[in-house]
Amino acid sequence: DTGVSQDPRHKITKRGQNVTFRCDPISEHNRLYWYRQTLGQGPEFLTYFQNEAQLEKSRLLSDRFSAERPKGSFSTLEIQRTEQGDSAMYLCASSFTGPMNTEAFFGQGTRLTVV
Amino acid sequence: LAKTTQPISMDSYEGQEVNITCSHNNIATNDYITWYQQFPSQGPRFIIQGYKTKVTNEVASLFIPADRKSSTLSLPRVSLSDTAVYYCLVNPGGYQKVTFGIGTKLQVIP
Repeated sequence: DTGVSQDPRHKITKRGQNVTFRCDPISEHNRLYWYRQTLGQGPEFLTYFQNEAQLEKSRLLSDRFSAERPKGSFSTLEIQRTEQGDSAMYLCASSFTGPMNTEAFFGQGTRLTVV
Repeated sequence: LAKTTQPISMDSYEGQEVNITCSHNNIATNDYITWYQQFPSQGPRFIIQGYKTKVTNEVASLFIPADRKSSTLSLPRVSLSDTAVYYCLVNPGGYQKVTFGIGTKLQVIP
């Protein structure tokens, strides 16, 4: 297993366009998280899945953002009608639910630039 | 969720031990303390996690006093490649659904 994979690594889009990012977690991990990170800040939690169920969304996640994880495998994050303020690094992480607290493994991220 | 406070930046010479302290006064009973390292343009990487007392792995040690209101990440004999941002998180057991703080930018000097 090569770890958490995100695609694309970079995306430039015009304001108002829709974009979709993909995350492939580590195969045996049942939890998947999405974060957003802007320059000089730490990652900001957006949402998380346990298997295919989206169990929590941050209050900061606007209606333009939607995430799915069909069949509990890969996940997609879609941003509709992008705005310049959406420019950020979007990070995906996965973890395994075990008897003890376990670490999250992060992907390399997708850097979005809205022009 | 418990808020964390850590120094914004630290400098250290190569070969020295570095200790980064994080305050988390409102930590809850079921919260764990987790530290991550992040290099530019990469996702964070797990360093160490603990609940109480001392935890040690091959890269770091984590010291947690009895009241658990703070924790100290100790990096032995740092090298230039340890230059990175270090984040302290307090997260409910089993979950990483937390927003990271600004972190501590560690600069290792030759």
